[in-house]
Amino acid sequence: AQSVTQPDIHITVSEGASLELRCNYSYGATPYLFWYVQSPGQGLQLLLKYFSGDTLVQGIKGFEAEFKRSQSSFNLRKPSVHWSDAAEYFCAVGSYSGGGADGLTFGKGTHLIIQP
Amino acid sequence: SQTIHQWPATLVQPVGSPLSLECTVEGTSNPNLYWYRQAAGRGLQLLFYSVGIGQISSEVPQNLSASRPQDRQFILSSKKLLLSDSGFYLCAWTHRGRRNQPQHFGDGTRLSIL
Repeated sequence: AQSVTQPDIHITVSEGASLELRCNYSYGATPYLFWYVQSPGQGLQLLLKYFSGDTLVQGIKGFEAEFKRSQSSFNLRKPSVHWSDAAEYFCAVGSYSGGGADGLTFGKGTHLIIQP
Repeated sequence: SQTIHQWPATLVQPVGSPLSLECTVEGTSNPNLYWYRQAAGRGLQLLFYSVGIGQISSEVPQNLSASRPQDRQFILSSKKLLLSDSGFYLCAWTHRGRRNQPQHFGDGTRLSIL
């Protein structure tokens, strides 16, 4: 069964500083991977996705992520964070169930705090 | 463009009362639909998914049930709520028949059980 680990429960970053959120996955085949962001009391918004090809993927809001198969990682990065980036970030790995629907397995999330 | 709606946004219910949460998708046909629960401090747990009208698969045996009476409508129900049913419930959809697609989420329902 697939799994996702986000080792950092909370991360505090100063506004304008760079950011890296870690994500490690376990999956028996070629994974497809996602990063979502959740503001308080809201649903999840897709930041970016990786299916195949270029291992560095660009997303919305200036985020990017790099897929490293050898490390089973898919870390999220942003060169300069803004106060509006404060939110919960979820990494997810996709799978295909025999029932015909693609299920996602989520990590437990990383809470990002931005210091002024 | 496609949109997904969930209601109500917030719900406070006593233990033992029934539950009905509704999710509808607009702008697409034949979507796959999903219900997730997000408990405090945890990630998302897949509860149910559906690939068509009347077709429901359960991922976690529990006090809840789901139904899909129409193509773009997905309902989460319970006959008797438990305290442990408290949480944030999210509905999501993907395009049917296309693999490796992201899921698109609604704004969720915050359910508090008293």
